[in-house]
Amino acid sequence: QQQVKQSPQSLIVQKGGISIINCAYENTAFDYFPWYQQFPGKGPALLIAIRPDVSEKKEGRFTISFNKSAKQFSLHIMDSQPGDSATYFCAVPTRAGANSKLTFGKGITLSVRP
Amino acid sequence: EAGVAQSPRYKIIEKRQSVAFWCNPISGHATLYWYQQILGQGPKLLIQFQNNGVVDDSQLPKDRFSAERLKGVDSTLKIQPAKLEDSAVYLCASSLTAGGDTQYFGPGTRLTVL
Repeated sequence: QQQVKQSPQSLIVQKGGISIINCAYENTAFDYFPWYQQFPGKGPALLIAIRPDVSEKKEGRFTISFNKSAKQFSLHIMDSQPGDSATYFCAVPTRAGANSKLTFGKGITLSVRP
Repeated sequence: EAGVAQSPRYKIIEKRQSVAFWCNPISGHATLYWYQQILGQGPKLLIQFQNNGVVDDSQLPKDRFSAERLKGVDSTLKIQPAKLEDSAVYLCASSLTAGGDTQYFGPGTRLTVL
C-alpha cells in the first residue's frame, strides 16, 4: 500500500509571498507526479505534474521540484495570490501502465491573505 | 468540451437505506474512476474501469458497494445498505486512458447518512 505524506498540514501566506508544499512517498512509484488543486464544493483539478526523468518543471507561477532518490517532490507557488487559496493534494501513482492508480495525500489548506 | 457530470449533487439518507450516484465522463474517455473523499482527507480510489471492465476494485467495500459501467460510458455507484461512516463526497473522474493521463474530476456528490 502506497503511503503519501504532505507537509505542512496547513499554510498561511501573505499576498506576494512564496508558498511551499511538500510531498513524500514510501514505495516505488511510476509514470508521473501530479499536484491537484481543489476549491470548496468543486472536484480536484490538475494543477501541474512532472515526469520522473526531470528534476524540475515550471508553469507560470507554479514549480514542481522532484527528488527521486529521496522520494519527495514539492510545489512552489511564487507571488501567491488570494485566488490561490485552496486545498492542494499531491498524488503518487502505483503500478505502471494501464493498471496505474493514484494514491492521494491528505491535502494541505493554503490561505493567502490580502 | 463538457466536463465530467455527476448527479445528484447532494443526498441525505437514513442509515440502512440505499443510494445511487450517476456519472457521465468526458466523451471518449476510456477510463473512469470512483473516489470517496471523507472530510479533511484526500480522495481514495474505490473502483477503476477501463471501458466497461473493472481494473481495480481492491478498496471497494463489496458487501455494500457496487458499481457498473454499462456500454463503457456512464457509470453508477450504489451503496446498500448505507452506514454512518459512508458520509463523504463521492467523486467521479475520467481520463483518456489509464497510466499517466490526466484525471478530470466531476463536482462530486455529497452524501450525508443520518
